[in-house]
Amino acid sequence: AQSVTQPDIHITVSEGASLELRCNYSYGATPYLFWYVQSPGQGLQLLLKYFSGDTLVQGIKGFEAEFKRSQSSFNLRKPSVHWSDAAEYFCAVGPVDSNYQLIWGAGTKLIIKP
Amino acid sequence: DTAVSQTPKYLVTQMGNDKSIKCEQNLGHDTMYWYKQDSKKFLKIMFSYNNKELIINETVPNRFSPKSPDKAHLNLHINSLELGDSAVYFCASSQGSGTANYGYTFGSGTRLTVV
Repeated sequence: AQSVTQPDIHITVSEGASLELRCNYSYGATPYLFWYVQSPGQGLQLLLKYFSGDTLVQGIKGFEAEFKRSQSSFNLRKPSVHWSDAAEYFCAVGPVDSNYQLIWGAGTKLIIKP
Repeated sequence: DTAVSQTPKYLVTQMGNDKSIKCEQNLGHDTMYWYKQDSKKFLKIMFSYNNKELIINETVPNRFSPKSPDKAHLNLHINSLELGDSAVYFCASSQGSGTANYGYTFGSGTRLTVV
């Protein structure tokens, strides 16, 4: 069955430290992969996406993610986090049907220590 | 501002009531969606609506009904509200052919609390 797993419910990092958020998926073909961010009280915003080609993709706000087919992973990274990065991060995979639907992970809450 | 806007932002109501949440997008997108985010932050698609074609997630109770008066609006009407309907409801839209449809733009959500 198709699924997305974000193993970490919460992650706490110090401001200025590097970050890696994990995402693993189960999918029968080459997936489309996405990371979205949800700031408190806000809707979700697309950070980056992977469809094909270079497996290291760059996104907004200094984020990047790497698609590793052998590990069925699409981990999100940032070399130096800022307090404003505190938010909920969602990984998603598609397509699951012809209507462009995605399967969503349960999210990882990023907490920034001053 | 170009955006997806939802009203109200907060909605507190009693069990058994009927309520509506409105959504409007001025992005010119063709497809609109309703998502439900439960207390554990899990996102679940409820409906997608494209060119008057409604795709319903079969797990959504028929107390929930989307209504689209035009391409820019997709409202969510809920009958006979239950405690389990308490959640944050997000409207979203997307546009384009093929993979561009995955570039969802989300509204800021409506927090529904049923008491």
